[in-house]
Amino acid sequence: GAVVSQHPSWVICKSGTSVKIECRSLDFQATTMFWYRQFPKQSLMLMATSNEGSKATYEQGVEKDKFLINHASLTLSTLTVTSAHPEDSSFYICSGSGQGGFGAFFGQGTRLTVV
Amino acid sequence: DAKTTQPPSMDCAEGRAANLPCNHSTISGNEYVYWYRQIHSQGPQYIIHGLKNNETNEMASLIITEDRKSSTLILPHATLRDTAVYYCIVRAIYNTDKLIFGTGTRLQVFP
Repeated sequence: GAVVSQHPSWVICKSGTSVKIECRSLDFQATTMFWYRQFPKQSLMLMATSNEGSKATYEQGVEKDKFLINHASLTLSTLTVTSAHPEDSSFYICSGSGQGGFGAFFGQGTRLTVV
Repeated sequence: DAKTTQPPSMDCAEGRAANLPCNHSTISGNEYVYWYRQIHSQGPQYIIHGLKNNETNEMASLIITEDRKSSTLILPHATLRDTAVYYCIVRAIYNTDKLIFGTGTRLQVFP
């Protein structure tokens, strides 16, 4: 299957700082990127959907000013958690979907811990 | 909201076939059935997808009922590495459509 690389795989940051997570599609052009958040023992929750070159569409209850998503190219999307707080600690996962509608492929996830 | 219903957990002996059911009674004509799995602390892994015909690949087989209201994912010879949460998702072919995850089935393969 197609490969999506997510970086970093884990990060610890201080409360009040910002953290950027990168998601790259390595062998296909991801026209659409999805960002998810997963708390322990729970399923993946979709945060936002972004199409290359367009503003992201956020799910209800997700603060767009806190979770900044950039999808400037067909192979790169970034999620920036601004002014992180301990409650933002979670497992963040990106997913890319390309032309042809052949499902979506996921990065390995980033475990964010805010202390 | 998720459009599928799966049992919360299942057990399977190593070497035996694991049959994971999924109910998607409200599936639309243009929606495919996708299966993903998530091994602990990793991103979900694509397994297989299908529209109405049965499908098979190197990982699994997908059996979709004739009325398309349910399906079964079959892992023919389960191994300990197949222990994971398995998600059944319905999604239209359009690549901008969201993948909405339900609670999935936690498959435990035991020796």
